[in-house]
Amino acid sequence: QKEVEQDPGPLSVPEGAIVSLNCTYSNSAFQYFMWYRQYSRKGPELLMYTYSSGNKEDGRFTAQVDKSSKYISLFIRDSQPSDSATYLCAMKSAGGGNKLTFGTGTQLKVEL
Amino acid sequence: EPEVTQTPSHQVTQMGQEVILRCVPISNHLYFYWYRQILGQKVEFLVSFYNNEISEKSEIFDDQFSVERPDGSNFTLKIRSTKLEDSAMYFCASSGQGDGQPQHFGDGTRLSIL
Repeated sequence: QKEVEQDPGPLSVPEGAIVSLNCTYSNSAFQYFMWYRQYSRKGPELLMYTYSSGNKEDGRFTAQVDKSSKYISLFIRDSQPSDSATYLCAMKSAGGGNKLTFGTGTQLKVEL
Repeated sequence: EPEVTQTPSHQVTQMGQEVILRCVPISNHLYFYWYRQILGQKVEFLVSFYNNEISEKSEIFDDQFSVERPDGSNFTLKIRSTKLEDSAMYFCASSGQGDGQPQHFGDGTRLSIL
């Protein structure tokens, strides 16, 4: 079983749709959960950062963490063509090293 | 907003040659990292560096790799004798003091080994 699993897509939605992106993981030691956005030939750009379980909202983006199910989600409201990118989930355990473990990324296309 | 900068953006090297990838982390950050992403695959951790020494490294980071902070601003990754399979995007990242600080990434160096 992979440590972090993420559907690679591609996911195509119309402009204005609500997008749901998800990751599952197997390592119960993970405590910090991140979502990065990656445009083609660019580095990962930090979007959302959460600790332990719960929700966090920032503008059109909401991150959810359910540690009991080992499941994290990113919701994008009122999606725009500029949201078209690859979305990477990443996570790390508390204490010790700061190594991030990434999912494979989900490719999102928001169409006009 | 402060950012991590990496040079060069693209490096082409003959197999067996040495290559040095350079990074300027965010100025008040204390933790530095290298990751790589082979085309079509996930981002993979290589090494973390704190207080002038390696704090963690992956199985990928073998004896052909080394890291250095030669001065107060630069952070480098050296690959001593490059192989075809070293072709990838290499990303530098940095984070601030404290457990759980988020890591911020540069735009990467695309390394092509011929």
